Amino acid sequence: AQTVTQSQPEMSVQEAETVTLSCTYDTSESNYYLFWYKQPPSRQMILVIRQEAYKQQNATENRFSVNFQKAAKSFSLKISDSQLGDTAMYFCAFNGRLDRDSNYQLIWGAGTKLIIKP
Amino acid sequence: DTGVSQNPRHKITKRGQNVTFRCDPISEHNRLYWYRQTLGQGPEFLTYFQNEAQLEKSRLLSDRFSAERPKGSFSTLEIQRTEQGDSAMYLCASSLLDGYYGYTFGSGTRLTVV
Repeated sequence: AQTVTQSQPEMSVQEAETVTLSCTYDTSESNYYLFWYKQPPSRQMILVIRQEAYKQQNATENRFSVNFQKAAKSFSLKISDSQLGDTAMYFCAFNGRLDRDSNYQLIWGAGTKLIIKP
Repeated sequence: DTGVSQNPRHKITKRGQNVTFRCDPISEHNRLYWYRQTLGQGPEFLTYFQNEAQLEKSRLLSDRFSAERPKGSFSTLEIQRTEQGDSAMYLCASSLLDGYYGYTFGSGTRLTVV
């Protein structure tokens, strides 16, 4: 089965600091897509950043960037100059299959709770 | 287009009652997904549709759960004979094709079974 692992259940940093959330995944596919989603408390899930596995260049979106290591199957999210509004659950996901008989869909990690302290 | 819309936002029901939730996806999206999420956990896949066809359903899903997407537009998720363990947030998402550009989520329906 294809899986996603987020090894940090919770992290806490001071406002304006840089924080990195880790994510590893397991797949035998050669081409796939990776995502980080953010879910603030009691609010809806929103897409933060997306990476195409065939692209070597790491994706960036303003203060958010990724470190994609395809060989290591690692996809970490770096948040620079963290803000109070970044406090949320962060989920890593990739476009894979739950098992050999399944269709392609997003496979999700368990999430990392990020707290930005003032 | 205002994104993915879910109704109701909250539902409180007595154990044993049936409930139905509605999801209106982004009109251009041909795929629609239902997830269940409990506090502090990631989304748990329930089922998904491509247009009006239900392509996959979680093998862990009880037969008390059923979903439809008539005419490939909005979708409904029905839970029959609700149990306290069904209390959760039910999320709907939609995407283009295989979701290569990501999914767009609705705000969810929070179900409380008392």
